[in-house]
Amino acid sequence: EDKVVQSPLSLVVHEGDTVTLNCSYEVTNFRSLLWYKQEKKAPTFLFMLTSSGIEKKSGRLSSILDKKELFSILNITATQTGDSAVYLCAVVADGNNNDMRFGAGTRLTVKP
Amino acid sequence: DTAVSQTPKYLVTQMGNDKSIKCEQNLGHDTMYWYKQDSKKFLKIMFSYNNKELIINETVPNRFSPKSPDKAHLNLHINSLELGDSAVYFCASSSHAPSATHQPQHFGDGTRLSIL
Repeated sequence: EDKVVQSPLSLVVHEGDTVTLNCSYEVTNFRSLLWYKQEKKAPTFLFMLTSSGIEKKSGRLSSILDKKELFSILNITATQTGDSAVYLCAVVADGNNNDMRFGAGTRLTVKP
Repeated sequence: DTAVSQTPKYLVTQMGNDKSIKCEQNLGHDTMYWYKQDSKKFLKIMFSYNNKELIINETVPNRFSPKSPDKAHLNLHINSLELGDSAVYFCASSSHAPSATHQPQHFGDGTRLSIL
């Protein structure tokens, strides 16, 4: 069965810190990995990664995929209180009609 | 101009009742989904519909039935509600091209269902 494991499950940091969130996966016929940020309501899309070694960046957030070691990391530099959220990792496999398998999420709390 | 909208946002009801949650998307997507998020924030796929056909049906009790009147709507009907059905239910949509790189799913704001 496909598995997506995120770590840590929760993380508390102070503003200005840099954090790294991890996502490892086991999936047959991997197609892509996605990161979402969930605050109070809908998960919002951050990144989609399909190729190894290519970093995606958006402001202070960046992410990279390692298809050999089957994991991805999400980095947030100079964290702000507005980064506090649950960060969800999901994988999509070929032949599953875009079905996303989510990890349990990492709850990030950024203190002032 | 909300892309994926769900109603109601909150639903409080008693065990044994039958209820429905509606979802509409105005993104022109051809695939819609329902997810259940439990108290531990774990998001799990329940159903997806592509061109009015059910293409994923996880091990969900048959008390849950998705209904898609058209490509822009996917409603979720739940019969004989149980305590364990309490959760947040999210609707999502995406465009789906089997041979191409898939597109990210866009989520609605969720419906918080509480069973008394």
